[in-house]
Amino acid sequence: DGGITQSPKYLFRKEGQNVTLSCEQNLNHDAMYWYRQDPGQGLRLIYYSQIVNDFQKGDIAEGYSVSREKKESFPLTVTSAQKNPTAFYLCASSITAGVMNEQFFGPGTRLTVL
Amino acid sequence: QQQVKQSPQSLIVQKGGISIINCAYENTAFDYFPWYQQFPGKGPALLIAIRPDVSEKKEGRFTISFNKSAKQFSLHIMDSQPGDSATYFCAASIEGSNYKLTFGKGTLLTVNP
Repeated sequence: DGGITQSPKYLFRKEGQNVTLSCEQNLNHDAMYWYRQDPGQGLRLIYYSQIVNDFQKGDIAEGYSVSREKKESFPLTVTSAQKNPTAFYLCASSITAGVMNEQFFGPGTRLTVL
Repeated sequence: QQQVKQSPQSLIVQKGGISIINCAYENTAFDYFPWYQQFPGKGPALLIAIRPDVSEKKEGRFTISFNKSAKQFSLHIMDSQPGDSATYFCAASIEGSNYKLTFGKGTLLTVNP
């Protein structure tokens, strides 16, 4: 059963703490992406990776970090430097980073800062 | 700077009616325009996409109309059903760029039975 899994579904964090969101895909896709979704704001790109051991900043990378040590995994760390981290986080993947390749999304992680 | 403007923000349609969502873009280099459908608590899923070399693309009850000169494209949902109730996002990207999709802010569609 191929797809993208994100865990946990819900995550609560105290201010000042770093937290890591998991994203795994078994689609054998080269490219992976992290988006942030806020109510009424659409999806905004945080980071993307076209290949293992390589990643680029998106539009709102400040306060976030990623790694891509394995093809199937692209974890996102929300650091204490992110001033407004409460949001719905979506991971996506595509076969390659080519423009016509459909991006497949995971079910998302809802992060709440207490 | 918002590169893809989507309207309306919300839309209520009766069952069997036509739902129309509009998007306008500014960057003439955009050449791929997908629409995504998102149900509450789920990730978005690709619904239909178009390239600017065609003016219309139809898949079942869903049609994209594209007006290159006006830099606008729209999604039409014919015979709207309650199961179509979801948030719809338009997006755009540039071939040969750093492969980013630029999304509109979304339209919450409610289809009343």
